[in-house]
Amino acid sequence: KQEVTQIPAALSVPEGENLVLNCSFTDSAIYNLQWFRQDPGKGLTSLLLIQSSQREQTSGRLNASLDKSSGRSTLYIAASQPGDSATYLCAVRPRLGGAQKLVFGQGTRLTINP
Amino acid sequence: GAVVSQHPSWVICKSGTSVKIECRSLDFQATTMFWYRQFPKQSLMLMATSNEGSKATYEQGVEKDKFLINHASLTLSTLTVTSAHPEDSSFYICSANSGLAGSDTQYFGPGTRLTVL
Repeated sequence: KQEVTQIPAALSVPEGENLVLNCSFTDSAIYNLQWFRQDPGKGLTSLLLIQSSQREQTSGRLNASLDKSSGRSTLYIAASQPGDSATYLCAVRPRLGGAQKLVFGQGTRLTINP
Repeated sequence: GAVVSQHPSWVICKSGTSVKIECRSLDFQATTMFWYRQFPKQSLMLMATSNEGSKATYEQGVEKDKFLINHASLTLSTLTVTSAHPEDSSFYICSANSGLAGSDTQYFGPGTRLTVL
């Protein structure tokens, strides 16, 4: 059974710092991995999607990497801003199990202090 | 971009009543919709996969008679929580996928906060 773990559970940094969020998964048989952002009481916004054949994806100040063999992904946020404060979730789409179900980590709650 | 809406955004009901939550894909046809539940400060847990015109597939441990799912059209799926109890209070989120070849992205709705008194 696929399990996804995110470390740390919470992170607080001063504005302007670069930071890394970590995600690990137990089964390397995945189609893809996604990083999402969730604001309090809101739904999810997709940030980056990395296919299993890819190593990284970039969007603006965000860069996500994927090392499928070791079961790890990182989300790098450059020059953090207070507006980046949110919970960040990673999710994998397993190859087994059918459909397009996603398995989520528990998220990292990020606070950027002005 | 693709938009998924949910209605209502929040609902408070008495124990024993039933509550229906709608999930709509506004600008695309969704062959598959997913229903998730999220408890406070926890991650999303998939409850069921809903395919248009067929019965939903429920995850292990989810009572299909309690959480009724109907996917009657390519733009609408509904989740009915029957005989709701306080332990059903949670944040329910749906997502939708267009089913088009090469399209892996799931688009998430804004969620529905259910509080059962």
